[in-house]
Amino acid sequence: DAGVIQSPRHEVTEMGQEVTLRCKPISGHDYLFWYRQTMMRGLELLIYFNNNVPIDDSGMPEDRFSAKMPNASFSTLKIQPSEPRDSAVYFCASSRGAGGGRGYTFGSGTRLTVV
Amino acid sequence: AQSVTQPDIHITVSEGASLELRCNYSYGATPYLFWYVQSPGQGLQLLLKYFSGDTLVQGIKGFEAEFKRSQSSFNLRKPSVHWSDAAEYFCAVGADAGNMLTFGGGTRLMVKP
Repeated sequence: DAGVIQSPRHEVTEMGQEVTLRCKPISGHDYLFWYRQTMMRGLELLIYFNNNVPIDDSGMPEDRFSAKMPNASFSTLKIQPSEPRDSAVYFCASSRGAGGGRGYTFGSGTRLTVV
Repeated sequence: AQSVTQPDIHITVSEGASLELRCNYSYGATPYLFWYVQSPGQGLQLLLKYFSGDTLVQGIKGFEAEFKRSQSSFNLRKPSVHWSDAAEYFCAVGADAGNMLTFGGGTRLMVKP
């Protein structure tokens, strides 16, 4: 298995632009998680899906952030409009089950820089 | 609700020295416990996990961890650190198979030559 695949690896955009981050989970995994990592706040859970349905989006910082999972093999995290404080590394992770039993498999992340 | 604490934000050890990274959890029953490593510019990689049975678990890259119920701890150890072990290490706890993982704040390990 190729693991969790995220694209792009790096994204530099100007303030106010729309940014879309993409994730392909491991086949057969029914949970998908989006995390944000910064030096100041560490690893934060933004949202997670179960069987393509958003379960908890309480970690999404603002309405500028949205996430979708149109099918079991693809998810997007969109920021519109982007702001410099959104600069961070965004990770996608997937698991079979909620993770307490098996842990999560993480992608390599997307490093977002908003200038 | 479960929680996990990694008391040490930064640790520096000399290459070849032994290493112990601390992890304390809060949960009423026996939890599922994990250690992840994040090398610079990479995602989190699973090092080892504990579900039940032998309280000393072996992982990849020569790491091991010991579950101590009486101390609510799951400390990560390595007898001899290599320069390539410099990374950030995260402890995580899950209540059971149906529950989310909770991650600690991480410990950044630096290795001196």
